[in-house]
Amino acid sequence: GAGVSQSPSNKVTEKGKDVELRCDPISGHTALYWYRQSLGQGLEFLIYFQGNSAPDKSGLPSDRFSAERTGGSVSTLTIQRTQQEDSAVYLCASSLAGHIGELFFGEGSRLTVL
Amino acid sequence: TQLLEQSPQFLSIQEGENLTVYCNSSSVFSSLQWYRQEPGEGPVLLVTVVTGGEVKKLKRLTFQFGDARKDSSLHITAAQPGDTGLYLCAGGGSGGSNYKLTFGKGTLLTVNP
Repeated sequence: GAGVSQSPSNKVTEKGKDVELRCDPISGHTALYWYRQSLGQGLEFLIYFQGNSAPDKSGLPSDRFSAERTGGSVSTLTIQRTQQEDSAVYLCASSLAGHIGELFFGEGSRLTVL
Repeated sequence: TQLLEQSPQFLSIQEGENLTVYCNSSSVFSSLQWYRQEPGEGPVLLVTVVTGGEVKKLKRLTFQFGDARKDSSLHITAAQPGDTGLYLCAGGGSGGSNYKLTFGKGTLLTVNP
């Protein structure tokens, strides 16, 4: 597709379960970001991938969160042992290069932890 | 932690009115971006400003970057219902990072017909 694709668009899970969120960036974009958007909290940086460089994981809130990017393209954000405070919209964005330019966002994955 | 404060948090106006939203920080940014987000969608870039004092116009929208590159404003003239959305400012290049954007919490604008 032409844009950033995220799946699932909605996920409802029970507390303690693991979830995986997928992001397929725009073809040719080397930089990929994950952000979390909670109600009234704006966008919170989680992790950044750029090419083959080591990712910047400084925004991951706990060791229950992890992400990988395979083959420089698709990325998966994994949340283990989900908690209710993990409920949020998880947004993926990609951009052309490793310096700040226009971020192209997907529509997000809305996670609800019961 | 670099913070961007946006005000007002909520704004509800009638079609045809003018409005200004603000984005302020104590940190200096090398660039400042404005995004608009509609329900169920990701943010979409409106503009990037990089020079202190810079003013950019996009149809009825006017963006200004403060001289000290710590603040920005977005002015909308003759607002229309299609302008409804969440307006987010995002600063880049602060704290030595040339790739990480810091987002404000946003201004939720509702333009009533």
